[in-house]
Amino acid sequence: QVQLQESGPGLVKPSETLSLTCTVSGDSVRSYYWNWIRQPPGKGLEWIGYIYNTETTNYNPSLRSRVTISVHTSKNQFSLKLTSMTAADTAVYYCARRGNWGWELQDWGQGTLVTVSS
Amino acid sequence: QSVLTQPPSVSGAPGQRVTISCTGSNSNIGARYDVHWYQQLPGTAPKLLIYGNSNRPSGVPDRFSGSKFGTSASLAITGLQAEDEADYYCQSYDNSLSGYVFGTGTKVTVL
Repeated sequence: QVQLQESGPGLVKPSETLSLTCTVSGDSVRSYYWNWIRQPPGKGLEWIGYIYNTETTNYNPSLRSRVTISVHTSKNQFSLKLTSMTAADTAVYYCARRGNWGWELQDWGQGTLVTVSS
Repeated sequence: QSVLTQPPSVSGAPGQRVTISCTGSNSNIGARYDVHWYQQLPGTAPKLLIYGNSNRPSGVPDRFSGSKFGTSASLAITGLQAEDEADYYCQSYDNSLSGYVFGTGTKVTVL
């Protein structure tokens, strides 16, 4: 069974860069699709982007100018960097793995709340 | 930004049947991309409930069923139980965005 665990700061100042890490167990980040999704408090889910085969990325057009997703194979982790943070970026951030059928998200981390505040 | 539209809420008494609609467009559901459904209990991560329009992962009760038609999809819960009270999201892939799209979410309340 694949398990994912997000880690990173719970508080980020406006204009700073958010860095989150997702640690994967039960599968290798060298293969398949690894995603980041976020959910502002009380609101719906928003896809941020994915990386597959360790180097090919695809990002939500609304965030593309600020997002970088990368893989760290030695630690079996993948990470998210989001620059120029504002209050609108306050959300629970989830990492998730695409399933084997199609574009479903089969396995999710528990999520980590990131608050943007000075 | 949610590209797929769902009703904000549905409710039903225990034992009843409720349905949740998910309306997309020709760049996602209508483009023959599958629809998937997630259940999000309060304070927890979303959990895959239905994949590939109508398939249940192991462990999901057969009270949950999904269907897809044209540019829309539907999730049905039969024999509603108190433990089904949660938020439900549909999801597909959009070829104009080249990425995942989610529904606006529906809160199911068991009366």
